[in-house]
Amino acid sequence: EVQLVESGGGLVQPGGSLKLSCAASGFTFSASDIYWVRQASGKGLEWVGQIRTKANSYATAYAASVKGRFTFSRDDSKNTAYLQMNSLKIEDTAVYYCTRPVGPSHYWGQGTLVTVSS
Amino acid sequence: DIQMTQSPSSLSASVGDRVTITCRASQGISHYLAWYQQRPGKVPKLLIYAASTLQSGVPSRFSGSGSGTDFTLTISSLQPEDVATYYCQTYDWAPFTFGPGTKVDIK
Repeated sequence: EVQLVESGGGLVQPGGSLKLSCAASGFTFSASDIYWVRQASGKGLEWVGQIRTKANSYATAYAASVKGRFTFSRDDSKNTAYLQMNSLKIEDTAVYYCTRPVGPSHYWGQGTLVTVSS
Repeated sequence: DIQMTQSPSSLSASVGDRVTITCRASQGISHYLAWYQQRPGKVPKLLIYAASTLQSGVPSRFSGSGSGTDFTLTISSLQPEDVATYYCQTYDWAPFTFGPGTKVDIK
C-alpha cells in the first residue's frame, strides 16, 4: 500500500524555521519526484515546489512565494523527503502536503499543519 | 509563469444535472492539465490527468476535455457525493500552478 506521511509541523514564530518530513512507503521512492503543496485554512491549493530524482540530478523548483526561504531535499536511503522552511511568515500558515507526480500512481499524504504566529 | 483561471467560482445544481467547469491557462500547456476533487475536510483527490484520462477508480460520470489553453471538466449526472471544490492544475512546466477552484453544491 502506498503511503506518504508528513510530519514536523507545529507552531513557530515569524522569522523562525521548521523542517517537515515526508516518509514514503509502498513504492520505489528513489524513482519518484516529490511535490509539495500547501493549503491555508479556507483557501485554495498552492503548489510549493518539487524535488526530482537522482536521475534528474535532484533538481528542484520553487513557487515564487517561497523561493529563497524554502529548501527541498531527500534521502533515498530513508525513503524520506524534506522541506526546510526558513524566515517563516504569517502567510506561510497552512497544511503542507507531499504528493507524487500527476499520473496513474499519484498519491497525497494526509498533511501536516504549520502555524506561524507570535 | 502560467496563470490558471476557472469559471464559475461556484455553482449550485440539482441531483442528476450535467455540470461543466471551465479552466483556462494563460498560455498553451498542450494536454498537461489535471483535475482534482476536494471534499470538505478531505485531502484532494486526482480525478483526471492528461486533460482527459480518468484516474483509476473515478466514476465514469466525470470526464475531461480540451488542449492548449481551454479545458473542461464535466460531471454528466451530479450526485450528492460530488459536493466538493474542484481544482485544475497545469503540470507542463514548473511552477505547476493550480486554478482558484470551483465550489459545487447541491440545489
